[in-house]
Amino acid sequence: KNEVEQSPQNLTAQEGEFITINCSYSVGISALHWLQQHPGGGIVSLFMLSSGKKKHGRLIATINIQEKHSSLHITASHPRDSAVYICAVSSMNYGGSQGNLIFGKGTKLSVKP
Amino acid sequence: GAGVSQTPSNKVTEKGKYVELRCDPISGHTALYWYRQSLGQGPEFLIYFQGTGAADDSGLPNDRFFAVRPEGSVSTLKIQRTERGDSAVYLCASSPTRLGTQYFGPGTRLTVL
Repeated sequence: KNEVEQSPQNLTAQEGEFITINCSYSVGISALHWLQQHPGGGIVSLFMLSSGKKKHGRLIATINIQEKHSSLHITASHPRDSAVYICAVSSMNYGGSQGNLIFGKGTKLSVKP
Repeated sequence: GAGVSQTPSNKVTEKGKYVELRCDPISGHTALYWYRQSLGQGPEFLIYFQGTGAADDSGLPNDRFFAVRPEGSVSTLKIQRTERGDSAVYLCASSPTRLGTQYFGPGTRLTVL
């Protein structure tokens, strides 16, 4: 079983829809990251959070430490939101190096006009 | 300011050859990470530098892989006797601190024929 699991693996939505991507993890963490990767492009960090909720524009990320679960929400989705969204955690289980990330496999989002 | 850069952007080599992949982190970032992303998968951790030293190299798959960061800035990932299974996108990320937000480079796509 992977230490970081995302669902769904693929998601197709119509423009304007509210989107939720889920992430569950099985290790102790110091922080959870949501990242965005466009086809052929680099990875961009969207959020880093260790508790509660963060909002940036139409994106909202929440985390429940007790349940080891996080969600990424996109409101009023747009075709330009089409990308792979990756959940990653900074584990507390890697000796002195608590910064390296353990990644989920990503959720491929396609928003149709 | 300039982001993380990686060179080359693409590298095609033959099985058994030696390759070097370069990462220029954001100026002043002390933490530097190398990850590897295979097609359809999330990235996997390879090695982490804090300053000049490799603080954690537990992700390197075998002794054909080696990385250096001699002056605490630019890092080079070296792969000896390349194998077809080494084909992947090699990502570099830097961070101002060990647990801070990571800024990713565009990656080097390595293809071993």
